[in-house]
Amino acid sequence: GDSVTQMEGPVTLSEEAFLTINCTYTATGYPSLFWYVQYPGEGLQLLLKATKADDKGSNKGFEATYRKETTSFHLEKGSVQVSDSAVYFCASFSGGYNKLIFGAGTRLAVHP
Amino acid sequence: EPEVTQTPSHQVTQMGQEVILRCVPISNHLYFYWYRQILGQKVEFLVSFYNNEISEKSEIFDDQFSVERPDGSNFTLKIRSTKLEDSAMYFCASSEVRVNYGYTFGSGTRLTVV
Repeated sequence: GDSVTQMEGPVTLSEEAFLTINCTYTATGYPSLFWYVQYPGEGLQLLLKATKADDKGSNKGFEATYRKETTSFHLEKGSVQVSDSAVYFCASFSGGYNKLIFGAGTRLAVHP
Repeated sequence: EPEVTQTPSHQVTQMGQEVILRCVPISNHLYFYWYRQILGQKVEFLVSFYNNEISEKSEIFDDQFSVERPDGSNFTLKIRSTKLEDSAMYFCASSEVRVNYGYTFGSGTRLTVV
């Protein structure tokens, strides 16, 4: 079945460092791909999405590009802030199942 | 911006008791979902609901679970006889159409079974 694999955390960075969180997926067909963020004590917020190959999703300085050839959707940010500390979830949506499939989540901690 | 509202934010219940978790989806949305997240673990799909019936459910969603849309605005998840392992954060979500735009999630209900 469909699955999403994320790099294990926690990821600890200093403020203004470059961030990459890896995400790969397995699916039949071409799912839509998402990154959700969960700040401490809060729910899941959609951060960005891409619905087809080579699409780039972006929001709040975060970017991710849908790479069909490597089945990847890695999250990047050029300069992280302390306020970016959260858990980041990669997810895929396969219309055939009408459900989001989440990765295990990657905790990011950014220190001043 | 429209929100999905969940109540209560935190519920503590005794093992074996019934609980009902409530959600008010976004008003023009047609698809509704429940997910759960056991502390520190993956977010897991429970059930999807459309046109007043379950469209898909996971193996977690056994006979102890049920969903209902009683009045056209609320969407509820009932756990008939809670177990310790039902302790988790439960998220409701809704989407406008059955496509790939992503859901809007509520802020969750933390259920603690003691």
